[in-house]
Amino acid sequence: SQQGEEDPQALSIQEGENATMNCSYKTSINNLQWYRQNSGRGLVHLILIRSNEREKHSGRLRVTLDTSKKSSSLLITASRAADTASYFCATDAADTGRRALTFGSGTRLQVQP
Amino acid sequence: DTEVTQTPKHLVMGMTNKKSLKCEQHMGHRAMYWYKQKAKKPPELMFVYSYEKLSINESVPSRFSPECPNSSLLNLHLHALQPEDSALYLCASSQDYNSNQPQHFGDGTRLSIL
Repeated sequence: SQQGEEDPQALSIQEGENATMNCSYKTSINNLQWYRQNSGRGLVHLILIRSNEREKHSGRLRVTLDTSKKSSSLLITASRAADTASYFCATDAADTGRRALTFGSGTRLQVQP
Repeated sequence: DTEVTQTPKHLVMGMTNKKSLKCEQHMGHRAMYWYKQKAKKPPELMFVYSYEKLSINESVPSRFSPECPNSSLLNLHLHALQPEDSALYLCASSQDYNSNQPQHFGDGTRLSIL
C-alpha cells in the first residue's frame, strides 16, 4: 500500500495566491522529500526534511513536518503560472529500515495567469 | 536540461519484441533506480542498484530485466511485454542509496505496447 496520500488531489488557484498541499503517511520515517513533476517530464527534487525537523524553507517553498500526526505540508507562496505541475511527497520507512522512497498519490496544481 | 539522460524518449513495441531502455548519469552517483509511472499516478519503484549491485527488486515480472554495466549506466531489457506494461519508465540516481539523498530523475521513456 502507498506510504503517502496527498490532498487535495487537484488544486486550481490564481497567480499570486498561495498554494498548500498536504501529505499523510502511515509509518515512522527518517526523511520526507517533496518533488515536482511538469507534464511529460521527470521529477525534480524540491526539498528534504528530516524527522527531527519541524519546518524548512527554500525560496518560495515552506515545508512543515508533524511526526505525531504523520503529516507534512508544502506551501508555495506567491504562485506563478510556471508552478503548474504535479507535486509528490516521498518517504522512507524507518520501522523496517527501508531506504527506498515511496511516493504519495500527488497533488495536481494549476496556476491560472 | 536534466543530468540523467534516458533513451529512447518514446518506444512502441509489439508483445513479442525485445528492446532495451538506457539511462546514463555522469554525476558520480552510486545508486540508480528504475520506476514505472502510469498516467496521473505516482512513480512506483521497480529496481535499485547500489554500487552496481542489485539491492532491490520489487517483485517485478521477469519480462523486465535490469542491468548495470558500470557506475554510469543502467539498462532495462524488455521482452514479451503485455499491454498493461505501457507506461512512462523513469530512471533516477542519487549519490548513495539512502533516503537522505535527493534523487535526480531523467525525463523518462514513454513505452507503448501494441
